[in-house]
Amino acid sequence: QKEVEQNSGPLSVPEGAIASLNCTYSDRVSQSFFWYRQYSGKSPELIMSIYSNGDKEDGRFTAQLNKASQYVSLLIRDSQPSDSATYLCAVSPSNTGKLIFGQGTTLQVKP
Amino acid sequence: GAVVSQHPSRVICKSGTSVKIECRSLDFQATTMFWYRQFPKKSLMLMATSNEGSKATYEQGVEKDKFLINHASLTLSTLTVTSAHPEDSSFYICSAGQASSYNSPLHFGNGTRLTVT
Repeated sequence: QKEVEQNSGPLSVPEGAIASLNCTYSDRVSQSFFWYRQYSGKSPELIMSIYSNGDKEDGRFTAQLNKASQYVSLLIRDSQPSDSATYLCAVSPSNTGKLIFGQGTTLQVKP
Repeated sequence: GAVVSQHPSRVICKSGTSVKIECRSLDFQATTMFWYRQFPKKSLMLMATSNEGSKATYEQGVEKDKFLINHASLTLSTLTVTSAHPEDSSFYICSAGQASSYNSPLHFGNGTRLTVT
């Protein structure tokens, strides 16, 4: 089992819709969870971090964490064509500082 | 916000030569930096953890004699790909988190696209 798993997609949504991206992880003691966005040929940029169970909202983005189910998700409201990118889920094993990445989900927002 | 600078952004070298990639934290001190590589349409694979003033910690399967890491100061880590071969062609990305917390998010450099001919 991979440490961090994501559906590679592509996930296609119409402009203005909600995009839902999911991620599961295997290390039960993981403490920190991050969502990064990566455009083709570019390095990842941080979108959200979440550390405790529940929802965390930042603008059009909402991260959801359920440690019991070892599940973290990212919702993007009012999706825009500029949101089209690969979204990487990253998990930090406890107190290591390093990040383990999922394979990424490619999101396509169609005008 | 935290800025990580990586240089060069792109390099082409001949098989058998060595290439050095620099990673700098511009506005914060980083006792730890991380080196990743990414193949096309694949995710980021952690290669090693670079520790200021001590030896790097390599992930399983990564050759430490081939990928030399030096972290001589709190703001600079270098990755040297020695005796490069075409299969080393990849996108190499460094990252750093602020030293105050292991839980702080990592910030990434812009990456170095290495092509070995």
